[in-house]
Amino acid sequence: DAGVTQSPTHLIKTRGQQVTLRCSPKSGHDTVSWYQQALGQGPQFIFQYYEEEERQRGNFPDRFSGHQFPNYSSELNVNALLLGDSALYLCASSLGGDRAGDEQFFGPGTRLTVL
Amino acid sequence: GESVGLHLPTLSVQEGDNSIINCAYSNSASDYFIWYKQESGKGPQFIIDIRSNMDKRQGQRVTVLLNKTVKHLSLQIAATQPGDSAVYFCAENIVPGTYKYIFGTGTRLKVLA
Repeated sequence: DAGVTQSPTHLIKTRGQQVTLRCSPKSGHDTVSWYQQALGQGPQFIFQYYEEEERQRGNFPDRFSGHQFPNYSSELNVNALLLGDSALYLCASSLGGDRAGDEQFFGPGTRLTVL
Repeated sequence: GESVGLHLPTLSVQEGDNSIINCAYSNSASDYFIWYKQESGKGPQFIIDIRSNMDKRQGQRVTVLLNKTVKHLSLQIAATQPGDSAVYFCAENIVPGTYKYIFGTGTRLKVLA
């Protein structure tokens, strides 16, 4: 039973560039949430995708956007990168519908460094 | 790997002793809470959860207590082991029926041999 996978593991970009991060949820899960974790802090909720739509969003600017595919995998896109976007980006997998709000499982994360 | 929680509150516990990690949550309407363990270079790992209609839940070596009156959550780890060394986060579901979670600031647990 495959767990949550994320790619790439590490990424280095320069200010102003754009980045795409990828996530495959745990087998049987249909909901993906994205979090940003700065060093020394807890994860911060970016948004949640279910049935290929953004269902909930945290306090992040429009530079952060996402997509969910029919196979439930998801992408996080960040445009016009800032130094402050450097963080560990975590994907969490769960079940939606009537099960929404139950436990979620995290992937290992993608470490993004913006220079 | 990189360190998680460089300047977090730290709890140092002797191996074999019990650990208690505390968390204050923010929203009285939150109805579901989770404790996560995060080791350096890894994503958070689910430990135990509790719903707001309960005040205590036990797992294997772990117990979560919920006090809704003062919006307080605690995680008790029995017979702490070196493998328990990590950063621990509490998370609350601030919009029931969604996955919009707020995480606490975290506590680093150090187990002394």
